[in-house]
Amino acid sequence: EPEVTQTPSHQVTQMGQEVILRCVPISNHLYFYWYRQILGQKVEFLVSFYNNEISEKSEIFDDQFSVERPDGSNFTLKIRSTKLEDSAMYFCASSEARTYEQYFGPGTRLTVT
Amino acid sequence: QKEVEQNSGPLSVPEGAIASLNCTYSDRGSQSFFWYRQYSGKSPELIMSIYSNGDKEDGRFTAQLNKASQYVSLLIRDSQPSDSATYLCAVTNDMRFGAGTRLTVKP
Repeated sequence: EPEVTQTPSHQVTQMGQEVILRCVPISNHLYFYWYRQILGQKVEFLVSFYNNEISEKSEIFDDQFSVERPDGSNFTLKIRSTKLEDSAMYFCASSEARTYEQYFGPGTRLTVT
Repeated sequence: QKEVEQNSGPLSVPEGAIASLNCTYSDRGSQSFFWYRQYSGKSPELIMSIYSNGDKEDGRFTAQLNKASQYVSLLIRDSQPSDSATYLCAVTNDMRFGAGTRLTVKP
């Protein structure tokens, strides 16, 4: 069964450093998403991506964040100059269409020290 | 502000009972609704999707949608200890998730 994959599973970085989180969406899906979940809190939408551009973003997704589809399979989230409050689980998801079911990857736990 | 609200629980039911999980949303224009299950430390796992008013059944799970009341629910029949998890309601018009209801099924 096709699934979304994410690497790394756990990333530790120092405050102020840049990190890149990687995702491989399900191959026939057209919409890609990043969410984050701070420990004990709700899943929060960051950004959606379609046709090689951002289609929607939340107020959380500020200039510190960027997304890219560098090739035909990978989808990345870059966080520039990480802050302590960026520590969270980051989930990638994909769907066939915007209002269809989203399937989540296993997540990357980001720890900023 | 658009919101998705769920009772945080915890909701505790005995094994074999029906668990009822509820969700309300504020955006009347919402069109697609989903229930996810999330085990501790894991990612959300899709259980059900529902797009139109009424009931939708899939095995032991039934999703119910009432757009007039802006209400969506999930019933879990014959609850099993393995159903113990946090259940997330999602409204994907604007990618909003509820905070989740923690369900415990006691053997």
